Amino acid sequence: DAKTTQPPSMDCAEGRAANLPCNHSTISGNEYVYWYRQIHSQGPQYIIHGLKNNETNEMASLIITEDRKSSTLILPHATLRDTAVYYCIVRAPDGNKLVFGAGTILRVKS
Amino acid sequence: EAGVVQSPRYKIIEKKQPVAFWCNPISGHNTLYWYLQNLGQGPELLIRYENEEAVDDSQLPKDRFSAERLKGVDSTLKIQPAELGDSAVYLCASSLGGMRSNEQFFGPGTRLTVL
Repeated sequence: DAKTTQPPSMDCAEGRAANLPCNHSTISGNEYVYWYRQIHSQGPQYIIHGLKNNETNEMASLIITEDRKSSTLILPHATLRDTAVYYCIVRAPDGNKLVFGAGTILRVKS
Repeated sequence: EAGVVQSPRYKIIEKKQPVAFWCNPISGHNTLYWYLQNLGQGPELLIRYENEEAVDDSQLPKDRFSAERLKGVDSTLKIQPAELGDSAVYLCASSLGGMRSNEQFFGPGTRLTVL
């Protein structure tokens, strides 16, 4: 599995968009980009995934650059409950293993 | 729909004692995972089951750790004997399996403290 690089921490004001970057310069052509988050004292929670196109669901948007070497997770209107560790993971479609890095600690402040 | 259930949520034991963790995955999920999470780090896979078969246990320390999923549903992870360094959160996750495994669903974890 390709490695990812994320900033260790970020702050965001409540109600503003949170933009979490991820570098995955060694990603292979068939590997997807996944995002999970982990709120304190809970297990990780799936957010979104994508291959080449930008994706949006009820939780977030995922923007993947054209060369696929980086991506950005966007929480459009961050709330205090979005404070968590956010993990960016690249994974082959037939690979069941999730390889987590240290992630980005997002602190949403009022 | 019930999520992944784990018990106990917390366990405190003395070193050299045995300990066991239990996981009940989401109904219909063929794939079950056990992860270890140390403080300040992301989860690391210990073992993956497809139904009752352990298909990836390469990261499981087999001298002291064991796991079973006898009927392909719930699973138990055991440590015997526990060491101080085993203090961590043990997470269980499940998914539909195969190419449908886009999303893994995690339980709340068991926090183990070894004294």
